[in-house]
Amino acid sequence: QVQLQESGPGLVKPSQTLSLTCTVSGGSISSGGYYWSWIRQHPGKGLEWIGYIYYSGTTYYNPSLKSRVTISVDTSKNQFSLKLGSVTAADTAVYYCARNPLHDYGDLDVWGQGTTVTVSS
Amino acid sequence: QTVVTQEPSFSVSPGGTVTLTCGLSSGSVSTSYYPSWYQQTPGQAPRTLIYSTNTRSSGVPDRFSGSILGNKAALTITGAQADDECDYYCVLYIGSGVWVFGGGTKLTVL
Repeated sequence: QVQLQESGPGLVKPSQTLSLTCTVSGGSISSGGYYWSWIRQHPGKGLEWIGYIYYSGTTYYNPSLKSRVTISVDTSKNQFSLKLGSVTAADTAVYYCARNPLHDYGDLDVWGQGTTVTVSS
Repeated sequence: QTVVTQEPSFSVSPGGTVTLTCGLSSGSVSTSYYPSWYQQTPGQAPRTLIYSTNTRSSGVPDRFSGSILGNKAALTITGAQADDECDYYCVLYIGSGVWVFGGGTKLTVL
């Protein structure tokens, strides 16, 4: 059974870079067949798709965040990561990683538990 | 900028049927948008109910169904139960690898 676990600092200072990692257990990213996504949820608000990556390194980003976002994959560690630069208080959110089967459009079949990131000095 | 619209709130009686919708601020939703639906209870990660318009995700009861109704995507819940009371989100694929979530619907069962 595949499980995802987000990790990273819970507090980031304004203007700095938010860095999170999602560790995949019970399955291999490099086996292909899935996109690996980052999604966030502002406090008391709805969901926002940040972007996703294939094991080959192909990425897709939310146009509204594209200039600040980098998603990368490390198949040797079975992890994928999110970097969001120049953060402000508006980036305070719960950040989720999730898995999307390649040909099941929209099916995020496995989710991490989410990690709360607060942007504050 | 693409805006995906959902009813902010909805209520249904226990045992009743409710249809939540997912639309576009401009234009019609079709199967080409692969509308998908997620359920989120407080403090939990969302889970997929329906993807690609009408495919139930693994383990989702058949009380939940997806469709296109008119110019919107729809999620229908039949035989509403108390634990269906939570938030429901739709997402649409707008092309070039980009997905956009709706603002979510808070469903009350009373």
